[in-house]
Amino acid sequence: DGGITQSPKYLFRKEGQNVTLSCEQNLNHDAMYWYRQDPGQGLRLIYYSQIVNDFQKGDIAEGYSVSREKKESFPLTVTSAQKNPTAFYLCASRAGLGNLPLHFGNGTRLTVT
Amino acid sequence: RKEVEQDPGPFNVPEGATVAFNCTYSNSASQSFFWYRQDCRKEPKLLMSVYSSGNEDGRFTAQLNRASQYISLLIRDSKLSDSATYLCVVKGTQGGSYIPTFGRGTSLIVHP
Repeated sequence: DGGITQSPKYLFRKEGQNVTLSCEQNLNHDAMYWYRQDPGQGLRLIYYSQIVNDFQKGDIAEGYSVSREKKESFPLTVTSAQKNPTAFYLCASRAGLGNLPLHFGNGTRLTVT
Repeated sequence: RKEVEQDPGPFNVPEGATVAFNCTYSNSASQSFFWYRQDCRKEPKLLMSVYSSGNEDGRFTAQLNRASQYISLLIRDSKLSDSATYLCVVKGTQGGSYIPTFGRGTSLIVHP
């Protein structure tokens, strides 16, 4: 079955460590997105990529980095510069450029202590 | 003014009730609209797209009012399983890219 896979589901890290969240899709979608969700809050856009080898900052990119070397993969690195990294991270993808909805992975819950 | 605004609720309704949520957006150039459902500690899942002429899917009806810049979701004959957070999503453009923006969500609790 086609879909988006995020791993791991739960991740625990010590403050000061970088951590990379995986996002892989086999839907052949061009666009991929990373969102962050805090308790009781909506989704906020971190980074997005419309095409391989290109990505753009979203509203809250500071302290994060991404790469898009392959169409299927869009990993997110949470760096030690991110002041409040504990959150629920959601990866999504979308086909083409039309009025098409996002498809989400099942998320990674990151806890930094 | 936030780009996409929703009443966070919670809306607490009995089974069988009809409930409606609104979502307002600030960018008049927004081009596409969706409602997603999110269960506790899960990812959002597409409930329905919203078309200009309005559209219905079973007990769910979505409407778009471009003049007043809002979309709505009507749920008829509420079920216990409808309890969730409903997210409004508006897609506009940002620097030439097509960007989906989410509202904070409206919480619905359906009780027996």
